[in-house]
Amino acid sequence: QKEVEQNSGPLSVPEGAIASLNCTYSDRGSQSFFWYRQYSGKSPELIMFIYSNGDKEDGRFTAQLNKASQYVSLLIRDSQPSDSATYLCAVGSNYKLTFGKGTLLTVNP
Amino acid sequence: EAGVAQSPRYKIIEKRQSVAFWCNPISGHATLYWYQQILGQGPKLLIQFQNNGVVDDSQLPKDRFSAERLKGVDSTLKIQPAKLEDSAVYLCASTTGSGANVLTFGAGSRLTVL
Repeated sequence: QKEVEQNSGPLSVPEGAIASLNCTYSDRGSQSFFWYRQYSGKSPELIMFIYSNGDKEDGRFTAQLNKASQYVSLLIRDSQPSDSATYLCAVGSNYKLTFGKGTLLTVNP
Repeated sequence: EAGVAQSPRYKIIEKRQSVAFWCNPISGHATLYWYQQILGQGPKLLIQFQNNGVVDDSQLPKDRFSAERLKGVDSTLKIQPAKLEDSAVYLCASTTGSGANVLTFGAGSRLTVL
């Protein structure tokens, strides 16, 4: 059974701080890695994806991938109250995505 | 570009009753997924279609759940008979099936089984 584990949270950070979200996965054959954001009562929406080892930046968001360690993370710089949501890590293999349970992030004004 | 359409948005039924959910993916998206999301958990894949063929249904409880995607476009997920533990949001997602496998989700159908 392929597993995706996320830090349990909840995670609370002050406005303007860096939020760090972590994820590990069990399937070494995984090819693609995604971070989705899910507001309460809403469906998941894509933040960013990463395929290669290293960092990928998009605005205030940076995804980091280390395939040797089977680890992927998401950093949110200058966190805003509007970033308060559950963040889902998803790992892809053969066009099938397996999701973690999510980490609830609260950004306090 | 129109998004993934799902209906109904909400459904309340008694246990042992049946229910059906409908999904219309983004036009041209060959791959369609049904996920089940129980409160407080991440989405769990129930079934994956490529056009009108099933790619993966290993986690679909086939004694009570069924799904079809006739003509390779819209899809229906049925539960019969429902159990209390089926209370969840049923999310439909689609993707082109090539290149970056970015899933786009519909708004979901929230099922409450009493």
